Amino acid sequence: AQSVTQLGSHVSVSEGALVLLRCNYSSSVPPYLFWYVQYPNQGLQLLLKYTSAATLVKGINGFEAEFKKSETSFHLTKPSAHMSDAAEYFCAVSGGGGGNKLTFGTGTQLKVEL
Amino acid sequence: NAGVTQTPKFQVLKTGQSMTLQCAQDMNHEYMSWYRQDPGMGLRLIHYSVGAGITDQGEVPNGYNVSRSTTEDFPLRLLSAAPSQTSVYFCASSYVGGKNTDTQYFGPGTRLTVL
Repeated sequence: AQSVTQLGSHVSVSEGALVLLRCNYSSSVPPYLFWYVQYPNQGLQLLLKYTSAATLVKGINGFEAEFKKSETSFHLTKPSAHMSDAAEYFCAVSGGGGGNKLTFGTGTQLKVEL
Repeated sequence: NAGVTQTPKFQVLKTGQSMTLQCAQDMNHEYMSWYRQDPGMGLRLIHYSVGAGITDQGEVPNGYNVSRSTTEDFPLRLLSAAPSQTSVYFCASSYVGGKNTDTQYFGPGTRLTVL
């Protein structure tokens, strides 16, 4: 069984400030981990994924995430927030190795203020 | 490539009515799935398929049927709609195996309201 916990359903940052969105996972097998972004009234778009290669994963739009097995975490960061980053962000886990079923967290709504 | 397409974008049903949500992909993906998205609950897996003729249940399958007669199409059927099925529905697809394993591509969604 696998699960994902996203701490903080709403996060607010100032433009130019660090973005940190938290994700902790539980998995009985080595996981694949994902961050997706959803802009208003749109589908989900892949930001980045971890598939057991490098533990620091770089994604699109300046986002990156670090896989920490000891902490069972996969937090998403961006050094400097932009207004266009305002969206909902979902962390997800799959069984890896060809297991395609994704389990999503409940999402974090990111607000960026001037 | 059009990617993953879903129709309709919006639908309003009365309790007890049936309907089919359409999903198609042109990426030759073996894996296709349906999720529902509800506020504060993230996305939950309804049904999935690993290839034509093969389907299986996800986390919340009750009240929904699926079939997979072709690689491209994966329709979701609501047999007798209930207000609890009011939600936004997303279809997704991906390869199985290889470096793109597990990267799922999502459609734009169908917003369903059941009165």
